[in-house]
Amino acid sequence: DTEVTQTPKHLVMGMTNKKSLKCEQHMGHRAMYWYKQKAKKPPELMFVYSYEKLSINESVPSRFSPECPNSSLLNLHLHALQPEDSALYLCASSRRTSGGSYEQYFGPGTRLTVT
Amino acid sequence: SQKIEQNSEALNIQEGKTATLTCNYTNYSPAYLQWYRQDPGRGPVFLLLIRENEKEKRKERLKVTFDTTLKQSLFHITASQPADSATYLCALDAGNMLTFGGGTRLMVKP
Repeated sequence: DTEVTQTPKHLVMGMTNKKSLKCEQHMGHRAMYWYKQKAKKPPELMFVYSYEKLSINESVPSRFSPECPNSSLLNLHLHALQPEDSALYLCASSRRTSGGSYEQYFGPGTRLTVT
Repeated sequence: SQKIEQNSEALNIQEGKTATLTCNYTNYSPAYLQWYRQDPGRGPVFLLLIRENEKEKRKERLKVTFDTTLKQSLFHITASQPADSATYLCALDAGNMLTFGGGTRLMVKP
């Protein structure tokens, strides 16, 4: 299985709602990531989990709360979002190559709209 | 802080020609540089990785070069096809963390 899956595919939420995005991989990768991507822009790193521990938080507002329940799952909990948070949210996992680099595998993304 | 840029936002070429995309970086000396393809509404897909001590890497119709003196990587697609139309992203590999360039939207016309 060389796939990263994300649910839901689309999400519309109000500014007072609480929702969660889910990501799953069964490739045995021990690093998982959340990215945010706005239209016609590159993905921007939000969080990195390494061996289920948060290793990088790129100064993301606290209304985004990541969670890594086990090595296969990654969640992003959303609360009190703003309309400018509307974007494609991408999950990725990575493996260390024999040469020492990290090749990333991305999921299809969740298209989030905040109304 | 490290910066990575792709010179062209968009590139239009005729089918069968070679597409050449450019990626420049500053304030960093990456050990690796990666290239990804992204189709609309989809996640990026890994294409190629090149190390700092490699001048060139090939995979089928794809070729990547890495010039650490110029701080530049070139990505070539030979014998381009309309199915190659997509956004291509270069990324600095900073050890378990990627910083992406802005992307180049390639359109291959029949």
